[in-house]
Amino acid sequence: AQSVTQLDSQVPVFEEAPVELRCNYSSSVSVYLFWYVQYPNQGLQLLLKYLSGSTLVKGINGFEAEFNKSQTSFHLRKPSVHISDTAEYFCAVSADSSNTGKLIFGQGTTLQVKP
Amino acid sequence: NAGVMQNPRHLVRRRGQEARLRCSPMKGHSHVYWYRQLPEEGLKFMVYLQKENIIDESGMPKERFSAEFPKEGPSILRIQQVVRGDSAAYFCASSLDFGDTQYFGPGTRLTVL
Repeated sequence: AQSVTQLDSQVPVFEEAPVELRCNYSSSVSVYLFWYVQYPNQGLQLLLKYLSGSTLVKGINGFEAEFNKSQTSFHLRKPSVHISDTAEYFCAVSADSSNTGKLIFGQGTTLQVKP
Repeated sequence: NAGVMQNPRHLVRRRGQEARLRCSPMKGHSHVYWYRQLPEEGLKFMVYLQKENIIDESGMPKERFSAEFPKEGPSILRIQQVVRGDSAAYFCASSLDFGDTQYFGPGTRLTVL
């Protein structure tokens, strides 16, 4: 079985500062990894995904994430955040051996960008 | 190109009533997933359907909950005899094929009084 842990429930940061949102997973099989963003009262939007290949993945809105197999991590980073990045961020995994593709989500991290 | 549509966006029911949540996948998508988000928690997988088939319902509560995805029309998540603990946001996602990126709808926020 797979599980996902997002180590920080809330991350406050000032505008234009860098940010890292941490995600660790556990799985006995290879996984696909995802980051989604959820703005208030909206659905989830895909930021980026890792399926295979280069461990550094670039996504939308200037976000990127690095897959580290030895540390079973997939941390999300942005070098300079904007007020509009304030939202809930979810890390998710899907086992590549799964016959369903269902996503297992972490608990979420609230990013609060302050002016 | 419309995204995943869900309706209603907000639904209020009294204990014991039935709730019916609808999901229209993106055009061309035949794979639908339902997830539930309880307050202050992440999303939890409920069920995965393809047209006319339930593929994986391992996340569905054993009683009162059912889902369908008919040949024609939207996917329906049905909750019978709702209880206060059913209050949550229910999200639908669709994908073009198995293992492809899942695109999420805006969700239905169910409140049980």
